[in-house]
Amino acid sequence: DQQVKQNSPSLSVQEGRISILNCDYTNSMFDYFLWYKKYPAEGPTFLISISSIKDKNEDGRFTVFLNKSAKHLSLHIVPSQPGDSAVYFCAASVAGTYKYIFGTGTRLKVLA
Amino acid sequence: KAGVTQTPRYLIKTRGQQVTLSCSPISGHRSVSWYQQTPGQGLQFLFEYFSETQRNKGNFPGRFSGRQFSNSRSEMNVSTLELGDSALYLCASSYGDRAEAFFGQGTRLTVV
Repeated sequence: DQQVKQNSPSLSVQEGRISILNCDYTNSMFDYFLWYKKYPAEGPTFLISISSIKDKNEDGRFTVFLNKSAKHLSLHIVPSQPGDSAVYFCAASVAGTYKYIFGTGTRLKVLA
Repeated sequence: KAGVTQTPRYLIKTRGQQVTLSCSPISGHRSVSWYQQTPGQGLQFLFEYFSETQRNKGNFPGRFSGRQFSNSRSEMNVSTLELGDSALYLCASSYGDRAEAFFGQGTRLTVV
């Protein structure tokens, strides 16, 4: 049972445009969400997080939106840069479980 | 500040053997988690330790075990290796629950 789903395996975006990566979840108990970026042969790098008490969090070019009623999470990258090309994972957790449930990832390619 | 260090980076083992992977967390982090990444499966949670206590365990067979030492360093062990155990094993450390996890570069295990 995949509780966190990233339905788009890949996404291509032109440099300078907006990249929107999506994530859906099924467990309404999730109350903390994160996005990670992963380059080949490296571990995931933390990007941004959001608590379920908020619906938006921004950090520079990265903004995460949370729609609890739709159980949907999205990451916006504006403007996209070629160095953003990587695999992006969303993750979710329930307080007190001490674990993250990850999606299967979306490969973003930013075209110069 | 040094990041999460995993050793070794690469490992080739034969079916039936056992293997031990090591993880040194970021200084001051007391929570260490382990994840398995295989193609198409995202990151699957193995277990989490805090102050030498396992607080949660994922849905993996008993061949997968771990421990944490008083200095927060952690090891995971896989006994009676199977071909399907070939994967990237990632260790992450954090201050605790509700805090982002920082990942190491992983150990690439190949079982032949």
